[in-house]
Amino acid sequence: NAGVTQTPKFRVLKTGQSMTLLCAQDMNHEYMYWYRQDPGMGLRLIHYSVGEGTTAKGEVPDGYNVSRLKKQNFLLGLESAAPSQTSVYFCACRVNYGYTFGSGTRLTVV
Amino acid sequence: GQQVMQIPQYQHVQEGEDFTTYCNSSTTLSNIQWYKQRPGGHPVFLIQLVKSGEVKKQKRLTFQFGEAKKNSSLHITATQTTDVGTYFCAGSQQAGTALIFGKGTTLSVSS
Repeated sequence: NAGVTQTPKFRVLKTGQSMTLLCAQDMNHEYMYWYRQDPGMGLRLIHYSVGEGTTAKGEVPDGYNVSRLKKQNFLLGLESAAPSQTSVYFCACRVNYGYTFGSGTRLTVV
Repeated sequence: GQQVMQIPQYQHVQEGEDFTTYCNSSTTLSNIQWYKQRPGGHPVFLIQLVKSGEVKKQKRLTFQFGEAKKNSSLHITATQTTDVGTYFCAGSQQAGTALIFGKGTTLSVSS
């Protein structure tokens, strides 16, 4: 997954706290995505971006906000974390036609 | 909205047996992609199919795209312990739009 870096790798939040997950890519790609992965649920699209300054909602956008101020970075924000947002979050870039994923952020909300 | 379904959810095989996972979409797809995720890892792109009826092979893996472009399959011949992981199909209705993933098939292999 060289080229797609996610930070942090692990995080524990208390209900109601806020945080931002960072996805950085060094491949100059336009398309970036945020997915969440839960046991038995596969990968579900939260938000995505087709270029700098643009964002769009995916399948499960509620409770999340995103920003793409710079082409290299795609930020995922949780304004008021809830236990239902406990998940593994993956960022991805579209490289040609396939997606390259980051190594993920494991978030626990207690 | 678009839904992508995969069966089975889990499959256990003995090493050397064959394995197949099936993917069905509620709508016609522009393309379908397959990914593999090892335990504790991240999804890794395997292949993309675009044409109706397309068949592609990668060593022991055979991928098919249905004639109606609504279903696909991944077949592994003579499984090995290195094949362990979860296999996801993912499709989009229009080229360039975001992929919708199936829930995956988790393969375990015993030697």
